[in-house]
Amino acid sequence: QKEVEQNSGPLSVPEGAIASLNCTYSDRGSQSFFWYRQYSGKSPELIMSIYSNGDKEDGRFTAQLNKASQYVSLLIRDSQPSDSATYLCAVILALNSGYALNFGKGTSLLVTP
Amino acid sequence: IAGITQAPTSQILAAGRRMTLRCTQDMRHNAMYWYRQDLGLGLRLIHYSNTAGTTGKGEVPDGYSVSRANTDDFPLTLASAVPSQTSVYFCASSPGGQSTEAFFGQGTRLTVV
Repeated sequence: QKEVEQNSGPLSVPEGAIASLNCTYSDRGSQSFFWYRQYSGKSPELIMSIYSNGDKEDGRFTAQLNKASQYVSLLIRDSQPSDSATYLCAVILALNSGYALNFGKGTSLLVTP
Repeated sequence: IAGITQAPTSQILAAGRRMTLRCTQDMRHNAMYWYRQDLGLGLRLIHYSNTAGTTGKGEVPDGYSVSRANTDDFPLTLASAVPSQTSVYFCASSPGGQSTEAFFGQGTRLTVV
């Protein structure tokens, strides 16, 4: 089974700080990586996708990918209490007839006022 | 509003009963997926379909079956429910291919007693 690993947390950061969420994956052939946010009792929603080494920025969010180290991270700048949620790292998994997302177990983020 | 609709939202089911969870999408996505989410175990793929008429097994397929008669619908059937199938079930869809992200329905909370 190809693994996607995340620290379960909770990660606690003060309001206005940078939250750093990390993820490692075992399949060296993986090409596509995604970050989802999931509020308690809700469904996962896509935040970012990244396919190339380096950084990708979207508003307060920055995804970072290092394929050599098999590592992908998500930075949240100016963290807000509304960012408190579970963040799921997902990696594309090649299947017998197509592709699907393989998820980590998620990191719980708590932003304190 | 375009998206994915799951039904029912929640259900309490007696062990041994048959149950079909419904999933419909109106985005004309080729690929559809069923995941279950359990505390401490994260999202795990049950079955998937990369195009109408084809299906495949995911990580935890036992006790579940699916069909994909058309592009829009992807029902998940529990032939004879057991308590270990108590979970939150998410249906998702994507345009397909290894670079495309998946979008989730609102989930079905199923309790088997």
